[in-house]
Amino acid sequence: GESVGLHLPTLSVQEGDNSIINCAYSNSASDYFIWYKQESGKGPQFIIDIRSNMDKRQGQRVTVLLNKTVKHLSLQIAATQPGDSAVYFCAVLGGGFKTIFGAGTRLFVKA
Amino acid sequence: NAGVTQTPKFQVLKTGQSMTLQCAQDMNHNSMYWYRQDPGMGLRLIYYSASEGTTDKGEVPNGYNVSRLNKREFSLRLESAAPSQTSVYFCASRMTGMDGYEQYFGPGTRLTVT
Repeated sequence: GESVGLHLPTLSVQEGDNSIINCAYSNSASDYFIWYKQESGKGPQFIIDIRSNMDKRQGQRVTVLLNKTVKHLSLQIAATQPGDSAVYFCAVLGGGFKTIFGAGTRLFVKA
Repeated sequence: NAGVTQTPKFQVLKTGQSMTLQCAQDMNHNSMYWYRQDPGMGLRLIYYSASEGTTDKGEVPNGYNVSRLNKREFSLRLESAAPSQTSVYFCASRMTGMDGYEQYFGPGTRLTVT
């Protein structure tokens, strides 16, 4: 079945720098990808999504890149702020109504 | 508009006790989900309900039962709690049949089984 993996369990960046969080997926037929942010003690919150017919999508300070050739997804956060400290999950829409989540990357922002 | 609400926020059970986790959404979403989240791991799907009146097993359904009471409410029941069920439980919902597939999550229930 589908699996989703992240390259790094933790990432530490300096405030103001850009952050890049990576994710890999296994099923080349996957067509919808989502990034969620989870702050301590809260449920995950939608950040941005991308369909397989796109390579790049931008939101407010965030960009998602999709490389279907190597089945790789990344989330870029520009000018990282202390409020960006959280766990970030990538997720892939699996068969039917199921969403497969990766294990998450914890982002630490140093002041 | 409260989104997705869950009760209780915290619960401690002894092994063998039963309990029901409640979830409700006010966004008129069709699909609802129950996940568990363990330290260092992503969210694992326990059960889901694609629409009112239907439920299906997810990745880790053993030891759990669910009820889709109506379109708004989706409950998760532990009939005989075990220490392995100590986890944080999240309920989520999403609309189906539309362009976006993102799920909206509740604040979670932190369950400890001793």
